Amino acid sequence: QVQLVQSGSELKKPGASVKVSCKASGYTFTNYAINWVRQAPGQGLERMGWINTNTGNPTYAPGFTGRFVFSLDTSVSTAFLQINSLKPEDTAVYYCARDFASVPYYFEYWGQGTLVTVSS
Amino acid sequence: QSVLTQPPSVSGAPGQRVTISCTGSNSNIGSGYDVHWYQQLPGTAPKLLIYTNNNRPSGVPDRFSASKSGASASLAITGLQAEDEADYYCQSYDTSLTGPEFGGGTKLTVL
Repeated sequence: QVQLVQSGSELKKPGASVKVSCKASGYTFTNYAINWVRQAPGQGLERMGWINTNTGNPTYAPGFTGRFVFSLDTSVSTAFLQINSLKPEDTAVYYCARDFASVPYYFEYWGQGTLVTVSS
Repeated sequence: QSVLTQPPSVSGAPGQRVTISCTGSNSNIGSGYDVHWYQQLPGTAPKLLIYTNNNRPSGVPDRFSASKSGASASLAITGLQAEDEADYYCQSYDTSLTGPEFGGGTKLTVL
C-alpha cells in the first residue's frame, strides 16, 4: 500500500534552517509528483508547490520562492523540503502529498505531517 | 485570501443533510477545471474525499457526494454522523496561480 512517512517535529531558532523528509513506499517513486502543503496553526491548507520526481525539477507556488527548496533522493524514494532563514511565521505543519499523476492534479496520498516550530 | 471561497462553518444535526459550497471564477472552476474535496479530521492529515468532481475513492461512504455547475461546486453529506465533524477543503486548478489551489476550508460541526 502507498505510504508517505515524514520526519519528526522540529524546534528551530529564527534564522536557522530545517530539512523535512518524506519517504515514499508502495509504488514507483518516479512516476508521481510530490506536492508540499503548509498549514499554519488554526489555518487552512496552502499549496507550496511540487517537485517532478522524474526530472527533479521543482515548481514553487507564489509566496514560496527564495527560502524554500524542494529536492529528492530517488535512490531511497525520499523527497525533502528545506526552509532557510526561518521566521516565526514559518511555524506550521508541513505535509507532503503524492499526486494522482506525474504533474499536480489532486493529492491522492498524504504524509502524516511534520510540525516545525520557530521560536527563540 | 483563497481564489476558491468556502463558508467558514456549517452545522447540522445527526441524520441531516448538509452542503458545503465552493465558489470560484473564470480562472478556475468556471474554465472547466475539475474540483476535488478533502476531509481533515481533528489533529490528522487531510484525506482525499472526492476526486474529479464527483468520484469517491475506495472506502469513502456514499453519504458523501459532490457536484459542479458553472464556476461553483458543492459537497453534500447525507445522514450526518458525529464522525463527520471535520474541516473540508475544495481544490481546483487556477490559471492565474498555475496550480491546484485550495479553498479556505469549512468547519463542519455536528450538533
